[in-house]
Amino acid sequence: GAVVSQHPSRVICKSGTSVKIECRSLDFQATTMFWYRQFPKKSLMLMATSNEGSKATYEQGVEKDKFLINHASLTLSTLTVTSAHPEDSSFYICSARFPTPGGDPETQYFGPGTRLLVL
Amino acid sequence: AQTVTQSQPEMSVQEAETVTLSCTYDTSENNYYLFWYKQPPSRQMILVIRQEAYKQQNATENRFSVNFQKAAKSFSLKISDSQLGDTAMYFCAFLGRQFYFGTGTSLTVIP
Repeated sequence: GAVVSQHPSRVICKSGTSVKIECRSLDFQATTMFWYRQFPKKSLMLMATSNEGSKATYEQGVEKDKFLINHASLTLSTLTVTSAHPEDSSFYICSARFPTPGGDPETQYFGPGTRLLVL
Repeated sequence: AQTVTQSQPEMSVQEAETVTLSCTYDTSENNYYLFWYKQPPSRQMILVIRQEAYKQQNATENRFSVNFQKAAKSFSLKISDSQLGDTAMYFCAFLGRQFYFGTGTSLTVIP
C-alpha cells in the first residue's frame, strides 16, 4: 500500500512559537492531502484539505491564519501552527488520497501522526 | 450533512472468538464508499477493509468481513478468530464528496 510519512513524530514547544509539521507521500504523487486533529480517545476532526498548487480549503471553525497549510509539491504538504498556545496541544494526522487508476475506490492513507505539546 | 454513527464506544472479545462492530450512516448520496480503519496504540491509522456502495457483495479481507446493508445504511465489521493484535480503536468512515469518520469503537481482545 501507499506510504505516508510525517515529521516530526512529536514536538514540544513554548507558547508563542510556531511549529511546522511535514507530511510526505513516499511512493506516489498526491494532489490532495488532508490534515486532521485528534483529541485523546476521540475521532479525527478534518481541519483542511490541501491541494497542490492552490490554497487549502479549511473546515468551518478552523482558523486559517492560525494553521497555515502549504502544498508546494505533489509529495509534500506542511502544516504550520503559528503562535502556538497550550490549547493547540493535540495529535495531528495527515493523509493523502491515493490515485486509483485500477478502479479501486479512493482511499486515504494516513501518516503516523505528530504529537504536539505546547507548554 | 453526512453522519457516521458508531453506537458501541467500547467492546471486548475473547481471543479466537468473533466480534461484530456496528456502524450506521446517513446520506442522500447514491455513490459513495465505506471504510473501516484501525488505530492501534501506536496511533497509526491502518485501512482494514473498504466497500463500494454500488457493489452488493460484502467485502472480505482474511479474518475481516463486512455486512453492508445499503437500504438500512448499515456497515458492520465482523472480526473472526480475534487476535491480541486486533486490540485497537476502530473507525468507520464514509466517503462521498467528503470523508466522514465515526466516533470510534475501542476493541479489547482478552487473552
